[in-house]
Amino acid sequence: AQSVTQLDSQVPVFEEAPVELRCNYSSSVSVYLFWYVQYPNQGLQLLLKYLSGSTLVKGINGFEAEFNKSQTSFHLRKPSVHISDTAEYFCAVRSGGYNKLIFGAGTRLAVHP
Amino acid sequence: DTGVSQNPRHKITKRGQNVTFRCDPISEHNRLYWYRQTLGQGPEFLTYFQNEAQLEKSRLLSDRFSAERPKGSFSTLEIQRTEQGDSAMYLCASSLEMASGGGYNEQFFGPGTRLTVL
Repeated sequence: AQSVTQLDSQVPVFEEAPVELRCNYSSSVSVYLFWYVQYPNQGLQLLLKYLSGSTLVKGINGFEAEFNKSQTSFHLRKPSVHISDTAEYFCAVRSGGYNKLIFGAGTRLAVHP
Repeated sequence: DTGVSQNPRHKITKRGQNVTFRCDPISEHNRLYWYRQTLGQGPEFLTYFQNEAQLEKSRLLSDRFSAERPKGSFSTLEIQRTEQGDSAMYLCASSLEMASGGGYNEQFFGPGTRLTVL
């Protein structure tokens, strides 16, 4: 069975500092990996996705993530965060044989001035 | 706005009452998903439809829950005899599944319906 573990429930960071949100997954088959962002009282918005090919994936709002198959990780990074990046971030996996997304518990990113 | 819409956005009900939520997917999307998100957790899959056919249901979907998509367009999720444990955000998502199958189909999420059971 697939599962996703987000290692940090909260990450506080100062504005313009770099940030990394960690995600590990488990799956016995090939996977598609995603990062979603959720702002207060809103639905989920896709930041980026890994399907195949280059292990470094670039997304919206300056975010990027690196797929590491040997470490079963898909960590999200941004070199310089803004106040507006304050939100909940979810890592998700979709197995090639299934249609549902399996989400991690989320990481709350709090950017302080 | 051509995104996924959900109504109502908020619902407060008393334990034991029935509630119904509606989801309108992106118009050309043939797949529709329901997820439940409790406080401090990520969304959990409940069920999904391919057109009007309900193809998979999670074990989370007890017999008090029923979902329909009668004409392959909008969907409703009904909870009968609500319990306090049903309090959560109910999210709907839709996607376009190509006839050739396989590959990736991005799910677009609606804003959710927040249910509070008193």
